[in-house]
Amino acid sequence: GAVVSQHPSRVICKSGTSVKIECRSLDFQATTMFWYRQFPKKSLMLMATSNEGSKATYEQGVEKDKFLINHASLTLSTLTVTSAHPEDSSFYICSPLPSSGGRVNEQFFGPGTRLTVL
Amino acid sequence: AQSVTQPDIHITVSEGASLELRCNYSYGATPYLFWYVQSPGQGLQLLLKYFSGDTLVQGIKGFEAEFKRSQSSFNLRKPSVHWSDAAEYFCAVGATSSFSGGYNKLIFGAGTRLAVHP
Repeated sequence: GAVVSQHPSRVICKSGTSVKIECRSLDFQATTMFWYRQFPKKSLMLMATSNEGSKATYEQGVEKDKFLINHASLTLSTLTVTSAHPEDSSFYICSPLPSSGGRVNEQFFGPGTRLTVL
Repeated sequence: AQSVTQPDIHITVSEGASLELRCNYSYGATPYLFWYVQSPGQGLQLLLKYFSGDTLVQGIKGFEAEFKRSQSSFNLRKPSVHWSDAAEYFCAVGATSSFSGGYNKLIFGAGTRLAVHP
């Protein structure tokens, strides 16, 4: 099956610092990567979509300068939360889309990263 | 606009009892529908999906779901719940994302937390 890893699984940082979250597809290549954010007791909200080698497209209301996405390779994408503030505390989940898939292929999800900003 | 509603935030059932989790969607075209399960510390796992064809879909772990177009529903069912089924369940609809080459970006419902009594 498809394996997706995220690192770190948990991170606590001080307000104003930047945090980088890595997402790797371990046994498949992903041209497209989705990044979601999940608030406590809430649903997953799509933040942005990136294609390998291209700039990410952000959903309405998501600050692209705060949430920097780099999709440099077919197996690695990073999300950097810049100048983090307590309101950025959340659960971040990546979802790579296998390159070999068609229009209705299955998305796979990473285990998530719990970010706490003090 | 596409949306997914899961009316039940929290459901508790006894082990061995039957289960039905409700999901209603709003989507202009024929939807792609999914049910995912999220356990603590684990990524979302696909239980089943509906793209077309038979409206009764069988999934993993003994789950099934029925697509009812007239009711805009895609309810998840299991005839006999096991204690290990306790988790958060998300219904999602695939919406066309032109950025990702026409593939679905997923719109999730708020989730239903299932508790199982022994």
